[in-house]
Amino acid sequence: NAGVTQTPKFRILKIGQSMTLQCAQDMNHNYMYWYRQDPGMGLKLIYYSVGAGITDKGEVPNGYNVSRSTTEDFPLRLELAAPSQTSVYFCASSVPGTGGTEAFFGQGTRLTVV
Amino acid sequence: LAKTTQPISMDSYEGQEVNITCSHNNIATNDYITWYQQFPSQGPRFIIQGYKTKVTNEVASLFIPADRKSSTLSLPRVSLSDTAVYYCLVGGNNQGGKLIFGQGTELSVKP
Repeated sequence: NAGVTQTPKFRILKIGQSMTLQCAQDMNHNYMYWYRQDPGMGLKLIYYSVGAGITDKGEVPNGYNVSRSTTEDFPLRLELAAPSQTSVYFCASSVPGTGGTEAFFGQGTRLTVV
Repeated sequence: LAKTTQPISMDSYEGQEVNITCSHNNIATNDYITWYQQFPSQGPRFIIQGYKTKVTNEVASLFIPADRKSSTLSLPRVSLSDTAVYYCLVGGNNQGGKLIFGQGTELSVKP
């Protein structure tokens, strides 16, 4: 199993551009998550999904959109990128057994908006 | 969601046992206590989870008192490679899959 795979690993965007961060997992996990982590800070939940076709907002959803058309994929869309979205983005997946609390994380996407 | 409180930072020396305590006064009956470890530039890694009493695995031990209002992650004989941020999470099926991380404890292990 590859686990949770995120692409790209690094990206530089100009203000106002858009992009999609890709996340795929091959563990057949129902739950998937997107977090952002600013330098020296903890993880903030952006969006999460408990299954295909179901998504919900986390703590900091503004400026982002998600979709979950398959169990495996959970892309995160940034529209009109802003410098405040410069961060490291982590995708994670888990199973419902203990409420999704045993999660597996990808290696992250480091995004810089200039 | 149960709020957690843990120290912002801790220092230790190689070979010592490190205990990191997390307070979670409003833990719900169905909540689990879960700890993650995060190295710089990496995603968090699940290390241990428990519901009550004591849990031990190859990495750490987790002590949970009877009232479950706190928990202690114990790392035996730490090495430099244990320098990381440690997060305590409390949650379960009550949260419908929503997984919120707190601030974490930055552990620095010195030679």
